[in-house]
Amino acid sequence: NAGVMQNPRHLVRRRGQEARLRCSPMKGHSHVYWYRQLPEEGLKFMVYLQKENIIDESGMPKERFSAEFPKEGPSILRIQQVVRGDSAAYFCASSPRDRGNEQFFGPGTRLTVL
Amino acid sequence: AQKITQTQPGMFVQEKEAVTLDCTYDTSDPSYGLFWYKQPSSGEMIFLIYQGSYDQQNATEGRYSLNFQKARKSANLVISASQLGDSAMYFCAMREGRGTGNQFYFGTGTSLTVIP
Repeated sequence: NAGVMQNPRHLVRRRGQEARLRCSPMKGHSHVYWYRQLPEEGLKFMVYLQKENIIDESGMPKERFSAEFPKEGPSILRIQQVVRGDSAAYFCASSPRDRGNEQFFGPGTRLTVL
Repeated sequence: AQKITQTQPGMFVQEKEAVTLDCTYDTSDPSYGLFWYKQPSSGEMIFLIYQGSYDQQNATEGRYSLNFQKARKSANLVISASQLGDSAMYFCAMREGRGTGNQFYFGTGTSLTVIP
């Protein structure tokens, strides 16, 4: 059973470009969480999604950031018009429908904005 | 107030010795879960151990054990017989409420260095 997959692992963008980060949850998991880790800090919650629904986006910046988890395909975290402050590691985690004791984390995507 | 507090930015331990990494938490929810994750230099987050708020016994997973003191709201991680491969960042995290519908709150982490 493959773990949570994230791609790309490293992404470099220039200021003003768009960044699209992908997350494929573990097989059978229908809950996806996105976290951001700034340098020298812990992970900060951004958004929680189930298939086709955003459940909790209280940690998402109000502008430029959006997330989706379509019926088919991976979850996408999209950052429009990136700025240098968006440089961070972005982690996706997934959990199964009937268990709340763990979130399984992907390897992360390291975004660098030049 | 911080949900999770890790007061040790860096720790050193001699190989084969035990080490305790501190974690305190703040919640008014009677149902919560406490987690420890390891983040090596490669960057991935590795789940280590889980403790539920209603669990009567301290959680153990191999060389990892969680010293759960509910009244003090502390959930310290104890690593026994440290190995060089234990050198990493360690994060304490908490999930409030039941089920999968709740976010994790993470501490700022403790950097552990195991000395040969």
